[in-house]
Amino acid sequence: QQQVKQSPQSLIVQKGGISIINCAYENTAFDYFPWYQQFPGKGPALLIAIRPDVSEKKEGRFTISFNKSAKQFSLHIMDSQPGDSATYFCAASNTNAGKSTFGDGTTLTVKP
Amino acid sequence: DAMVIQNPRYQVTQFGKPVTLSCSQTLNHNVMYWYQQKSSQAPKLLFHYYDKDFNNEADTPDNFQSRRPNTSFCFLDIRSPGLGDAAMYLCATSRFPGLDTEAFFGQGTRLTVV
Repeated sequence: QQQVKQSPQSLIVQKGGISIINCAYENTAFDYFPWYQQFPGKGPALLIAIRPDVSEKKEGRFTISFNKSAKQFSLHIMDSQPGDSATYFCAASNTNAGKSTFGDGTTLTVKP
Repeated sequence: DAMVIQNPRYQVTQFGKPVTLSCSQTLNHNVMYWYQQKSSQAPKLLFHYYDKDFNNEADTPDNFQSRRPNTSFCFLDIRSPGLGDAAMYLCATSRFPGLDTEAFFGQGTRLTVV
């Protein structure tokens, strides 16, 4: 049973556009939702994260929207740049149990 | 400055020949994880150490072992690598289990089995 479902699998956006990646989860015990950015040949790097007590968190051009009742969260990249081209993973953690689950990833390509 | 360092970056090993991958951290984090990531897939947790306590994932093959001799170092031992074990192996650290707000990944070791 896949606990975190991520979509789309791949995304192509024009420079300056908005990139939106969605994730849905099943386990209501999850209490921490990070997004990771991974460039080819590199390890994932924490991009932004949210806890379920807030509905939105913004850091620069990156925003997480969180809908607790729908058990969904999404990453929005405003003014997308070619340098944002990477694979993005959402994750969900049950920090009490020490368990984390990754989504399958979204490959983002931002065209100049 | 790199905070989670994995060595080597690239490792080629022969089928069936034991291999060890290493990870060190300068963050003094309590938890160290090992993930396996195959091409175009999400990282898959193999196991983690919370201080000296070893926590194995239920579906991690016995072929994979780990050692954590001190806070800073953690090793991944693959006793008899098969072709299916070729992957990127990622080490990560966090203060507490569950990849909390201070989770960091190393750059990974790309393992090739020939």
